[in-house]
Amino acid sequence: DIQMTQSPSFLSASVGDRVTLSCKASQNINKYLAWYQQKLGEAPKLLIYNANSLQTGIPSRFSGSGSGTDFTLTISSLQPEDVATYFCLQHNSWPGTFGAGTKLELK
Amino acid sequence: EVQLQQSGPEVGRPGSSVKISCKASGYTFTDYVMNWVKQSPGQGLEWIGWIDPEYGSTDYAEKFKKKATLTADTSSSTAYIQLSSLTSEDTATYFCASSAYGGYPGYWGQGVMVTVSS
Repeated sequence: DIQMTQSPSFLSASVGDRVTLSCKASQNINKYLAWYQQKLGEAPKLLIYNANSLQTGIPSRFSGSGSGTDFTLTISSLQPEDVATYFCLQHNSWPGTFGAGTKLELK
Repeated sequence: EVQLQQSGPEVGRPGSSVKISCKASGYTFTDYVMNWVKQSPGQGLEWIGWIDPEYGSTDYAEKFKKKATLTADTSSSTAYIQLSSLTSEDTATYFCASSAYGGYPGYWGQGVMVTVSS
C-alpha cells in the first residue's frame, strides 16, 4: 500500500496567518490526492480534490498544490472556524490510503 | 441535497457480528459507489472497501477481506457493512461515503461508533 506522510502532526497558528500543510506519498500518485477537514465529532469534509481543485462551497482561502509525491494544502488567512484536523487521501491505487493528519490549533 | 444517514451506535460482544446501515438520498443510488472507512485512535483513517450498488460488485482492502462484508439494497437506497468475529481492534467509528468509481469520497455519513465489549 502507498504510505502517506503528513507534516507537521500539530500546528499552532494565529488568526490571519498563512498556514501550509504538507503531505508526501511513498510513490507517484499523479494528482489523485484529496484533502479533508475533520472537526471534533464530525465526519471528514472534502476541501480539495485532484490535488488543486476546490470543492464547491469551500472558502477560497483554501488551496491545494502539487503532483507526483509532494502536495501542499494552504490556508491563506487562518480563521477561527478552521481549527480542525486535516487529512490527505491518495486514490491513485487501491486501497486508497490516508495520512495520519495535521491537527491545527489557534495560538 | 445529498445525505447519507447511518444507523445508531452498536455494542457487540467479542466473537459476534454487527451490521450497520447507510441510507442515501438526494441522488441516484446506483450512479455512485459506496465506500466504507474506519476511524480509530490507533490506526487513523482506513479505507475498508467499496460496493457498486448497480452491479453488486465489491472490493476490499486486504486487511478487511475476512472482517467486512458489503451489501446494498437498491430498492431502499441503503448500503450495509457487516463486521464479523468482533475483537477489541474493531472498536472504532465507521463511515459510509459516496464516490465515483475509483474516485475520492465526496459525501460522508455521520459515522457509527462500534464498541466491542463483553
